[in-house]
Amino acid sequence: DAGVTQSPTHLIKTRGQQVTLRCSPKSGHDTVSWYQQALGQGPQFIFQYYEEEERQRGNFPDRFSGHQFPNYSSELNVNALLLGDSALYLCASSLLAGGPSNEQFFGPGTRLTVL
Amino acid sequence: DAKTTQPNSMESNEEEPVHLPCNHSTISGTDYIHWYRQLPSQGPEYVIHGLTSNVNNRMASLAIAEDRKSSTLILHRATLRDAAVYYCILRAAQGAQKLVFGQGTRLTINP
Repeated sequence: DAGVTQSPTHLIKTRGQQVTLRCSPKSGHDTVSWYQQALGQGPQFIFQYYEEEERQRGNFPDRFSGHQFPNYSSELNVNALLLGDSALYLCASSLLAGGPSNEQFFGPGTRLTVL
Repeated sequence: DAKTTQPNSMESNEEEPVHLPCNHSTISGTDYIHWYRQLPSQGPEYVIHGLTSNVNNRMASLAIAEDRKSSTLILHRATLRDAAVYYCILRAAQGAQKLVFGQGTRLTINP
């Protein structure tokens, strides 16, 4: 089992551009969550997808959008990039049925740098 | 989201026990207490969780105060590989499964 995989590992963009990050969940998992981690901070929840629908969203602007595919993989899109969007973007997968006691499995993240 | 408070940093020696404290005075009766850790250059990884009773697994033990307003993650015999940022997180029983991370405790292990 490959666990949670994310691509690309690193990305450099300029202000105003758009970016798409990809995540494949752990085998058997149906829920994908995305987090943003600025340098020296804890991860911040962006949103969560289940059954191809956004279930919950954190305090992020509409420039951040996502998608989940029938195979449970997911994409995070960020439009009109700002310098402040530079961060490590983490994807986590889990089983919805596990409820609040289940664990989330994190990928290694995508390091986005906006110049 | 219920808030947790942890020391910014702690230091310990290799092969000694480590007790990482967490205060969560506003915890509700149905909130689960989760611990995750993040090793350098990696995504967070699950360590342990509990509701009311103390819990043990292969990685650590979780001691939960009787009033549930605090908890302690115990690493019984720290190794250099345990150097990481440790996050104490409360998860509500209802609603989505998001994790609300604070600043965490940066644990340094001395050889």
